[in-house]
Amino acid sequence: VQLVQSGAEVKKPGASVKVSCKASGYTFTSYGVTWVRRAPGQGLEWMGWISPYNGNTNYAQSLQGRVTMTTDTSTYTAYMELRSLRSDDTAVYYCARDLRFSEWLFDYWGQGTLVTVSS
Amino acid sequence: NFILTQPHSVSESPGKTVTISCTRSSDRLASNYVQWYQQRPGSSPTAVIYENNRRPSGVPDRFSGSFDSSSNSASLTISGLKTEDEAEYFCQSYDSRNQGVFGGGTKLTVL
Repeated sequence: VQLVQSGAEVKKPGASVKVSCKASGYTFTSYGVTWVRRAPGQGLEWMGWISPYNGNTNYAQSLQGRVTMTTDTSTYTAYMELRSLRSDDTAVYYCARDLRFSEWLFDYWGQGTLVTVSS
Repeated sequence: NFILTQPHSVSESPGKTVTISCTRSSDRLASNYVQWYQQRPGSSPTAVIYENNRRPSGVPDRFSGSFDSSSNSASLTISGLKTEDEAEYFCQSYDSRNQGVFGGGTKLTVL
């Protein structure tokens, strides 16, 4: 199992960013994908979850209206788009395989994508 | 909403045992299941305990977890401490809307 994320991004305030997470080594539609971020000097923050099986999503209330998670089952890729970026969105963004329908566990994680928001 | 509260830092000597607590501030945890993730600097998080006391494959049995329903708090215990255990540890659970919540993290120093 591997989750490989897209490379680092630098964005201006107000812009959008779309991070990808390409899965391999398992049946993509059998497990959810959770997105987590960690800002400098802060802890982990749960951003949301998507089911590649049916597209169901559950977004953190703090990000509602700014975040959209999607999947492309033909390429085994999950995407997280964050809009209206602010400086406090600067963080490392992680995707993780979510086993919630069998076990409460994020068992494999991507390598992380650094998103820097700066004017 | 609720908050998971962890001590900011703990330190202990190699070979000793350390316990890290994780206490919810209010409301009942949705599933009563708590997970623990280890994150070393520059690395992605990895799970060390899930569903209160289960160990993922490959995690040594020096790591154990527990949950006290009376106080709605969880604990991570690491015995036989090694320098490689030095990392930040985050507890995690879900609220009533099945949204994930992480504790603030505990920096473990093994000296």
